[in-house]
Amino acid sequence: AQSVTQLGSHVSVSEGALVLLRCNYSSSVPPYLFWYVQYPNQGLQLLLKYTTGATLVKGINGFEAEFKKSETSFHLTKPSAHMSDAAEYFCAVSLEGGNKLTFGTGTQLKVEL
Amino acid sequence: SAVISQKPSRDICQRGTSLTIQCQVDSQVTMMFWYRQQPGQSLTLIATANQGSEATYESGFVIDKFPISRPNLTFSTLTVSNMSPEDSSIYLCSVSFLLAGGTDTQYFGPGTRLTVL
Repeated sequence: AQSVTQLGSHVSVSEGALVLLRCNYSSSVPPYLFWYVQYPNQGLQLLLKYTTGATLVKGINGFEAEFKKSETSFHLTKPSAHMSDAAEYFCAVSLEGGNKLTFGTGTQLKVEL
Repeated sequence: SAVISQKPSRDICQRGTSLTIQCQVDSQVTMMFWYRQQPGQSLTLIATANQGSEATYESGFVIDKFPISRPNLTFSTLTVSNMSPEDSSIYLCSVSFLLAGGTDTQYFGPGTRLTVL
């Protein structure tokens, strides 16, 4: 079975500062990894995904994540936060491609002026 | 990707009643799923909706409480039966496409916000 741990249920950054949202996974086999964003009162939107190949994955809105097998991590970063990035971010893992996602508990990102 | 719609977008229901949520996709998809997001919590997979056959339920979820139908490749329904306040959640439909070598990414609908009084 797989699991996901997101450290920090709430993260606050200043506008223009680096965004770092942490995600660690547990899996017995190489996993597929995803980051989703949920804006208030909306569904989930895919930010980026890792399946195979290049370990640094670039997504939408300037976000990227790096798969580090040795650290079982898939942290999400963005060099410069924008007010519009305020949302809840979910890391997810799957052993079946896009099927049967297991989600982390989410990180609420707040961006301050 | 796909455009996914859900009806209703929100509802307030009385204890003991049932609500059926519809999920419609604008293209044929292989896999359809139903998730629950309880207040302040993450998403939990309820079941995989299988076309023309019984849904596959995850541990802790049963067909009597959450009957699911999927009559074709673009439509599914989830019913929340005999509701209690503990069923107050956001219910999300998601879809994925089967590609060679594995499945694609899951795309999510906007969700149905259910409040049970």
